[in-house]
Amino acid sequence: DAKTTQPPSMDCAEGRAANLPCNHSTISGNEYVYWYRQIHSQGPQYIIHGLKNNETNEMASLIITEDRKSSTLILPHATLRDTAVYYCIVREDRDDKIIFGKGTRLHILP
Amino acid sequence: NAGVTQTPKFQVLKTGQSMTLQCAQDMNHEYMSWYRQDPGMGLRLIHYSVGAGITDQGEVPNGYNVSRSTTEDFPLRLLSAAPSQTSVYFCASRLRDRRGEQFFGPGTRLTVL
Repeated sequence: DAKTTQPPSMDCAEGRAANLPCNHSTISGNEYVYWYRQIHSQGPQYIIHGLKNNETNEMASLIITEDRKSSTLILPHATLRDTAVYYCIVREDRDDKIIFGKGTRLHILP
Repeated sequence: NAGVTQTPKFQVLKTGQSMTLQCAQDMNHEYMSWYRQDPGMGLRLIHYSVGAGITDQGEVPNGYNVSRSTTEDFPLRLLSAAPSQTSVYFCASRLRDRRGEQFFGPGTRLTVL
C-alpha cells in the first residue's frame, strides 16, 4: 500500500524555488518523512528528513504541516543539476526497510 | 572512503545462467539492502540485511538469494536468470542509528536475453 502521494511530474524555472508536495494523510505519530532524489541513471541520494518540525540543511528545506498529513520539499534556488526524480517516503524509525514509491520527476527549465 | 561499490557495472546473461552481483561498503554500516529498478519505475526492495549473518526478504525476493558473511559485503545471487530480471540493481547501506539515511551504489545494469 502506498503511504505517500506525489504528482508524477513538475516543472520549475532555473533560479526559482522548487516546491515539491507530498501527501501522507495516513501517517502515524511515530513515522518520519524522508526525501531522496535520483538523478538520471545514478543511485538515489538522501536529501532530508523530519518528524514534526520544519528542517533545513545545505540542500533543501522540509516543511511539514501541523497535522502532519502533508509536506513540501523546497529547493530554494533550483539549478539544472536539480533535474531528478524526487521520492517522498514515510516510515517508522524502527523500520528496517525503506520502500520507495514512484516519485515526482522534476524538470528544471533554463 | 570508497562508499558503496558495485560490480560489475554492466552484465548480459542468457536465460538460465547464474551470476552474483557484488556489493561492498567501507563505512562499517550494519544495514545493507538490494533494490531493483525497471525502466521508468521506482525502486523495489529485493532483500536486506541488518547485520552479518542476518538477512530478510523485501518486496520482490523471488529469484534472488543473498547472504551476509561479513559486515562489508552483501552479494546478490541470481540462480537461474530470466528476462523478467532485466533491470538496474542498486545496493545501499546505512548505519543502524541513522535509519533513513541510506547511501546507494552506482548500480549494475543487467540484461537477460
